[in-house]
Amino acid sequence: DGGITQSPKYLFRKEGQNVTLSCEQNLNHDAMYWYRQDPGQGLRLIYYSQIVNDFQKGDIAEGYSVSREKKESFPLTVTSAQKNPTAFYLCASSIDGGQSYEQYFGPGTRLTVT
Amino acid sequence: AQSVSQHNHHVILSEAASLELGCNYSYGGTVNLFWYVQYPGQHLQLLLKYFSGDPLVKGIKGFEAEFIKSKFSFNLRKPSVQWSDTAEYFCAVRRNYGGSQGNLIFGKGTKLSVKP
Repeated sequence: DGGITQSPKYLFRKEGQNVTLSCEQNLNHDAMYWYRQDPGQGLRLIYYSQIVNDFQKGDIAEGYSVSREKKESFPLTVTSAQKNPTAFYLCASSIDGGQSYEQYFGPGTRLTVT
Repeated sequence: AQSVSQHNHHVILSEAASLELGCNYSYGGTVNLFWYVQYPGQHLQLLLKYFSGDPLVKGIKGFEAEFIKSKFSFNLRKPSVQWSDTAEYFCAVRRNYGGSQGNLIFGKGTKLSVKP
C-alpha cells in the first residue's frame, strides 16, 4: 500500500529542545517537501528536496533543518532557534519537481512545545 | 510577492445548496492551479488541477473549477453539496517559468460546514 507516513502523530517537547519529525514515502518519488500549517494561515513551505543529497530552503526555513540521505526519507528537525515551533507539520512528495507536479501529502505531525 | 487569496474563511451551507469558493492569485505569468481538500482527520488530497487546455476542470466528488485568466481566478464550484463535503479547502498556485517551475503557494484555506 503506497503512501507517505509521518510519525509520530502527536509530539510534545519542552522549549529549548531539538526535535526530529519523520517522513517516509514508498511512492518512489524524487521530490519531497515539508510544510507548516497554522490555523488560518494555510500551508507554508519550510524545505524541499528535488533529489537525494540535495535540498533547498522554502519560505520559512529559519529554525529548521533537513537531510535527504535516502530517496524514501526526508526528516525535519525543529531546532531551539525556531521561535514558534508549535504547529501542524505536513510532509509531501511528488514524482519530480517538474511537470508531474501533483503533491501527495502525509497525515501530519502535530508538535506542541511548552 | 506572489500571493493566493481565498475570499471566505468559513462558509456554512445547508445540504443541496450550491457552492462557490473564490480563489484569486497575483502572478501574471503562466501558472498551474490546484484545489486541495482536507477532510476532518484525513490527509490533504487533490480535488482537481489545471495545467493547460479547457479552463473548466472537473475533479473528484462532483467538484469543478473554472480558470479565468483575465480575472486571475480559479473558483471552485459544486452544484449541490452534501454533509460529507464538510472540510477545509485550499487553493494553490504554482508559477511556471517555462523550463522550470516554482513551488506551490497555498491560500489560507476556506472551511466549509454543511448542515444536514
